[in-house]
Amino acid sequence: DAKTTQPPSMDCAEGRAANLPCNHSTISGNEYVYWYRQIHSQGPQYIIHGLKNNETNEMASLIITEDRKSSTLILPHATLRDTAVYYCIVRAYNAGNMLTFGGGTRLMVKP
Amino acid sequence: DGGITQSPKYLFRKEGQNVTLSCEQNLNHDAMYWYRQDPGQGLRLIYYSQIVNDFQKGDIAEGYSVSREKKESFPLTVTSAQKNPTAFYLCASSQQGWDGYTFGSGTRLTVV
Repeated sequence: DAKTTQPPSMDCAEGRAANLPCNHSTISGNEYVYWYRQIHSQGPQYIIHGLKNNETNEMASLIITEDRKSSTLILPHATLRDTAVYYCIVRAYNAGNMLTFGGGTRLMVKP
Repeated sequence: DGGITQSPKYLFRKEGQNVTLSCEQNLNHDAMYWYRQDPGQGLRLIYYSQIVNDFQKGDIAEGYSVSREKKESFPLTVTSAQKNPTAFYLCASSQQGWDGYTFGSGTRLTVV
């Protein structure tokens, strides 16, 4: 699995967009970008994933650069309940293997 | 509602005792996983199972054991051989052909 680099922490004002970056410069052609988040003392929750096109669902948007070496998770209107650790994971789809979670980004949404 | 149930949420044991953490899923998922999380750290894989009666070691399997006798259940035993068992333990499952993982709410084990 390609290694990812995320900032350890970020702050965001409530109601504003939260933009969480992830670098994955060694990503290979068959590897997807996945985002999960973990609210304190709970299990991680799937957010979104993508290969090369931008993706959007009810929770967030995922923007992947054209060279696929980095991506940004966007929470369009952050709420206090979005305070969590966000993990960016890169791996091949249906590789039959497990997910590897790094340190993630601790997002603090402030009133 | 379908999901993964981990029990208990909090567990206390004396040093030297084995303890078994429960994980049950009703999602009909083929694969199940156990992760360990230490304070301020990411998740580390202990064991995983892709089908019944088969499982493989993850990155930190020493001092742990598992079984997969039923598709719905994947219990984890923390043995006395695990040197630092105090941690947050997470169970997850996934379906073949889809890499989205569903996690349980975790069990926080404290060994005193």
